[in-house]
Amino acid sequence: AQSVTQLDSHVSVSEGTPVLLRCNYSSSYSPSLFWYVQHPNKGLQLLLKYTSAATLVKGINGFEAEFKKSETSFHLTKPSAHMSDAAEYFCVVSVTMDTGRRALTFGSGTRLQVQP
Amino acid sequence: NAGVTQTPKFRVLKTGQSMTLLCAQDMNHEYMYWYRQDPGMGLRLIHYSVGEGTTAKGEVPDGYNVSRLKKQNFLLGLESAAPSQTSVYFCASRLIGLASSYNEQFFGPGTRLTVL
Repeated sequence: AQSVTQLDSHVSVSEGTPVLLRCNYSSSYSPSLFWYVQHPNKGLQLLLKYTSAATLVKGINGFEAEFKKSETSFHLTKPSAHMSDAAEYFCVVSVTMDTGRRALTFGSGTRLQVQP
Repeated sequence: NAGVTQTPKFRVLKTGQSMTLLCAQDMNHEYMYWYRQDPGMGLRLIHYSVGEGTTAKGEVPDGYNVSRLKKQNFLLGLESAAPSQTSVYFCASRLIGLASSYNEQFFGPGTRLTVL
């Protein structure tokens, strides 16, 4: 079975300071990992994805994430927060099982607030 | 390309009423999904389809039915709505393929449903 744990339900930062959103996963298979962002009353937009290539993944809007197999983590970071980054962020794990079926599991989300 | 679209955007139902949510995608994707999003629970898979004419149950299928008569459309039906089905519903689609590059799902903007 696979699971995703987002360690913080809410994170508040000041504009211009670093952002860290934490995600841990468990999976019996080699996973693909994603971060999606959801702005208020909007759908989900892909920020970045890890698919067994480089462990440091760069995404849109200055975000990046590092896959650490030994720590089963895929934390999302950004050097300097912008007001427009205020949104909900979801960590997602996808695995392809022996049956060929692919399963997608979402974390419960982290709401990022950016203070002026 | 419109991507993934959903209609309606908002709906209020009374308990026991029925309705159908429509999802359409113009990307020629094989796979389509219906999720519900509830506070603090991330997204949970209701039903999915791996191609025209095929559907399968996801994590929380009870009280919902689906149909995929055309490749580009995926319908979600509520035969007798209950207050527990108050939620935001998201449709998603992706390309077929086992390679990790096909893992990304593209999401619609969501339908906010309230059942009184």
